[in-house]
Amino acid sequence: GENVEQHPSTLSVQEGDSAVIKCTYSDSASNYFPWYKQELGKRPQLIIDIRSNVGEKKDQRIAVTLNKTAKHFSLHITETQPEDSAVYFCAASRTYGGSQGNLIFGKGTKLSVKP
Amino acid sequence: DTGVSQDPRHKITKRGQNVTFRCDPISEHNRLYWYRQTLGQGPEFLTYFQNEAQLEKSRLLSDRFSAERPKGSFSTLEIQRTEQGDSAMYLCASSYGLAGFKQYFGPGTRLTVT
Repeated sequence: GENVEQHPSTLSVQEGDSAVIKCTYSDSASNYFPWYKQELGKRPQLIIDIRSNVGEKKDQRIAVTLNKTAKHFSLHITETQPEDSAVYFCAASRTYGGSQGNLIFGKGTKLSVKP
Repeated sequence: DTGVSQDPRHKITKRGQNVTFRCDPISEHNRLYWYRQTLGQGPEFLTYFQNEAQLEKSRLLSDRFSAERPKGSFSTLEIQRTEQGDSAMYLCASSYGLAGFKQYFGPGTRLTVT
């Protein structure tokens, strides 16, 4: 079946440093890639998303890059703060054809930002 | 709060019992998704509705699971004859418009089967 691989599984950074989380996907028809942040005991929260017709998108300290040829996308967080500590999930889906809209998630990255 | 809501938040049941969960999507969201999340894993797709029509079910979804969305508003997910392996967080998400629009998640229902 379709699959999304996410690395690393855990990431520890010092406050103010940058953090990068990488994902690869197997379904070449995937064209929508959201990222979710999930704090302990809370719901997944959509933080940024990108579609396949763009290569990069930024929102303040968060950016996502996409390489469709390599089937690879990444989340970049700059100037990390302790409140960025959470589990981050990448996901991929199609917007047409079978299984459209169904998000396939990676296994998550636990980010810890040390003050 | 106008976000996605789910009820109950927690459910403890004995093996073999039936349980039903409810999801209320964001108003006017026509798509509603059910996912299951176990500890240390990302959410896993179960099924989704566009308005009242159930358009797809995961191959992993046992026939003990059934979902409905009467009138295209709230949705219910029922699990019959629960098993210990059903213990998980059941998440609901909703989105507006066509596929690929932002999905917003509810707080989930945590099911524990003893």
